[in-house]
Amino acid sequence: ETGVTQTPRHLVMGMTNKKSLKCEQHLGHNAMYWYKQSAKKPLELMFVYSLEERVENNSVPSRFSPECPNSSHLFLHLHTLQPEDSALYLCASSQEIGYTGKGYTFGSGTRLTVV
Amino acid sequence: DAKTTQPPSMDCAEGRAANLPCNHSTISGNEYVYWYRQIHSQGPQYIIHGLKNNETNEMASLIITEDRKSSTLILPHATLRDTAVYYCIHGAGNNRKLIWGLGTSLAVNP
Repeated sequence: ETGVTQTPRHLVMGMTNKKSLKCEQHLGHNAMYWYKQSAKKPLELMFVYSLEERVENNSVPSRFSPECPNSSHLFLHLHTLQPEDSALYLCASSQEIGYTGKGYTFGSGTRLTVV
Repeated sequence: DAKTTQPPSMDCAEGRAANLPCNHSTISGNEYVYWYRQIHSQGPQYIIHGLKNNETNEMASLIITEDRKSSTLILPHATLRDTAVYYCIHGAGNNRKLIWGLGTSLAVNP
């Protein structure tokens, strides 16, 4: 139990589908993040939320739409994705924005395959 | 942007100490050094962090050089379950633009 739970663990979707990734943290953290990890590439920060407010959007295409209804839940809505969007999508949380204390707690990720 | 340099891969015999180096020559005075590891297809897991002094916890030890431009993560008695990719990164409290490299792929062999 990492304290950050992501569902689903695996997802296969067509390019015309709409799907959502879910992240829930049970740690009482105030900041949540979405990362993308493509094969043989480093982690890329996508979105940052602090107390449900988006504070960072790192030039992510509009086919990725985040939502943070409360400080415990984070969603990533997906639509009309491309095959190059296939990757491991990781959710993380931290006590506050940035690096404090023990840094981030990551979920196990959603392995997304776009066909 | 904060960037670190690590060897792409290392091997270690089971039961022996694994010493993983990291260069972080661009580190600022208020930035911590963090180490994470990622077991295949899982999310990264926090290991240890430090500012200036050496640190030790139940997982590992962190040795930071006096000039803070490099550090070494030490797994004192590596086990097969320590096989993973190890990442060294640095950042300060309000620094969100952290750069994750490709890390060091550590293989612990029987």
